[in-house]
Amino acid sequence: QSALTQPRSVSGSPGQSVTISCTTISSDVGGYNYVSWYQQHPGKAPKLMIYDVSKRPSGVPDRFSGSKSGNTASLTISGLQAEDEADYHCCSYAGSYTLVFGGGTKLTVL
Amino acid sequence: QVQLVESGGGVVQPGGSLRLSCAASGFTFSHYGMHWVRQAPGKGLEWMAFIRYDGSNEYYTDSVKGRFTISRDNSRNTLYLQMDSLRAEDTAIYYCAKDWPNWAIDYWGQGTLVTVSS
Repeated sequence: QSALTQPRSVSGSPGQSVTISCTTISSDVGGYNYVSWYQQHPGKAPKLMIYDVSKRPSGVPDRFSGSKSGNTASLTISGLQAEDEADYHCCSYAGSYTLVFGGGTKLTVL
Repeated sequence: QVQLVESGGGVVQPGGSLRLSCAASGFTFSHYGMHWVRQAPGKGLEWMAFIRYDGSNEYYTDSVKGRFTISRDNSRNTLYLQMDSLRAEDTAIYYCAKDWPNWAIDYWGQGTLVTVSS
């Protein structure tokens, strides 16, 4: 299965916006709009933040938004808060009933 | 509320076997596909396997095909992962996870640690 590439780390100050990218070289993966994003605090299970590229589950603040252009999906967090500091993982459907995750990005709130 | 509780992790020697279980509650288990996802220490998430809601089909990542088997018992609301021919690189926290329509995961268990070491 194809891998998704994420930056290892990003950072921002409270109140700022940050964007995390998720890129694939596979046109198969890039052709699907089934991209999801997960937030994971240390020692905790992941939490779904975005699905279908840009949809938010109930309870996720609208500070979190997703988008996709070509083979790159992005998660943008606006109005950064201290509690947003966590690891963020992107995920995409890869065809044939399989999923693929990115390597994860550590967000530091300065 | 949805709960997924994994069990069965532990320390096993290379080449050994282990069977993980995941007890599901708070939703109609037989209506949803289920996944296993793992996370090696300090690493990202890695999708392992998916089983359809009725157990009719299973799908695996290449690195575990032929070694791992996902299964389910809808009468017991339980998901399983049989892991054979274990390798050091299989050391990870293994999460049971509920499928959300359109290939996302909306609920995760707390994870169970598998350590493959001699």
